[in-house]
Amino acid sequence: GAVVSQHPSWVICKSGTSVKIECRSLDFQATTMFWYRQFPKQSLMLMATSNEGSKATYEQGVEKDKFLINHASLTLSTLTVTSAHPEDSSFYICSALAGGSEQYFGPGTRLTVT
Amino acid sequence: AQSVSQHNHHVILSEAASLELGCNYSYGGTVNLFWYVQYPGQHLQLLLKYFSGDPLVKGIKGFEAEFIKSKFSFNLRKPSVQWSDTAEYFCAVSRDSNYQLIWGAGTKLIIKP
Repeated sequence: GAVVSQHPSWVICKSGTSVKIECRSLDFQATTMFWYRQFPKQSLMLMATSNEGSKATYEQGVEKDKFLINHASLTLSTLTVTSAHPEDSSFYICSALAGGSEQYFGPGTRLTVT
Repeated sequence: AQSVSQHNHHVILSEAASLELGCNYSYGGTVNLFWYVQYPGQHLQLLLKYFSGDPLVKGIKGFEAEFIKSKFSFNLRKPSVQWSDTAEYFCAVSRDSNYQLIWGAGTKLIIKP
């Protein structure tokens, strides 16, 4: 089946620094990838839709200048959390659309901002 | 606004018990329906999906779900659960031609051996 990887799997950073998270589709090309955030004991919240070669579409309430998304190739999308604060600590999950309407999910990245 | 609700946040069952997890959505148009599972320490995996056709959908690992349009429901079932079914289960909905998923809050299922 289609495999999606994320790197890093966990990261700890200091407040004010920036962190980049990579999402890769390993054995298929994905023109569309999604970035989600999952708070403890809550469901996934869609942050943005990433389209290869064009600007990402952000959901209402998500700051595009804080969460920078770049989908530079058909197999890679990156999410950069800029000037991170403790409230940005969360579990970030990406998914990639493989044909049809099926999304394949990465294993997630645990971000802790101290 | 479109929403998905899962009735139970936590379910505890013994092995061999039957399982039914409820999922209801609020959207009057055509929808695609999904159940995902997240085993401890693993990423989300698709259990089954409904796009059209037979409203009774069979998925992996003996799971099935029934789409009842009149009730806006897509309940997940398994006749006899196993300890290895311990996981968190998420119902999700996307509007036809829109790939964005709206998620339920999830149900944590614990199977006692």
